[in-house]
Amino acid sequence: GDSVTQMEGPVTLSEEAFLTINCTYTATGYPSLFWYVQYPGEGLQLLLKATKADDKGSNKGFEATYRKETTSFHLEKGSVQVSDSAVYFCALPHSGGSNYKLTFGKGTLLTVNP
Amino acid sequence: DTGVSQDPRHKITKRGQNVTFRCDPISEHNRLYWYRQTLGQGPEFLTYFQNEAQLEKSRLLSDRFSAERPKGSFSTLEIQRTEQGDSAMYLCASSFGGDNQPQHFGDGTRLSIL
Repeated sequence: GDSVTQMEGPVTLSEEAFLTINCTYTATGYPSLFWYVQYPGEGLQLLLKATKADDKGSNKGFEATYRKETTSFHLEKGSVQVSDSAVYFCALPHSGGSNYKLTFGKGTLLTVNP
Repeated sequence: DTGVSQDPRHKITKRGQNVTFRCDPISEHNRLYWYRQTLGQGPEFLTYFQNEAQLEKSRLLSDRFSAERPKGSFSTLEIQRTEQGDSAMYLCASSFGGDNQPQHFGDGTRLSIL
């Protein structure tokens, strides 16, 4: 079945450090891929998306490239800020006729220290 | 765009009581979803509405759970005879159009069972 595997957290970085959060997936076909972010006490916000292979999604300095050959969608940011501290979720729509359902990874907690 | 609104934000109740949550989606969105999120996990799909029709219910949704979306606008999720294991964050999301469209989440209702 469909699944998403994210790197284990928590991740702790100093301000202006480089961030990578790994995400790999198992799915039938080539679904859209999403990164969501959840700030403390809030719901999930869509951070970025990619709809086909080799697409690069970007937003707020974050980027992720849809790599079908490695079934990956790693999240990167060149210089993190304290305000980026949150939980990050990789997600994809379920395949096989129910692709309105999102399957999420377990989330990666990022803490950025000043 | 006022976003997805959920009410209440927090609910504390005793085991065995009934609870009801409300979700108001983004006004032009025809699709509405409920997810459940437990501590340290990503959201898990519960159910999906297209307009007023409930098109899928997860196996996670026992007989004690019921969801409605009268007139295809707001939705309610009711849990009867609550149990300790029902303690979680209940998230509502909405989207417009076809599959693979990003879902927009509310801030959730946190349910605590005493």
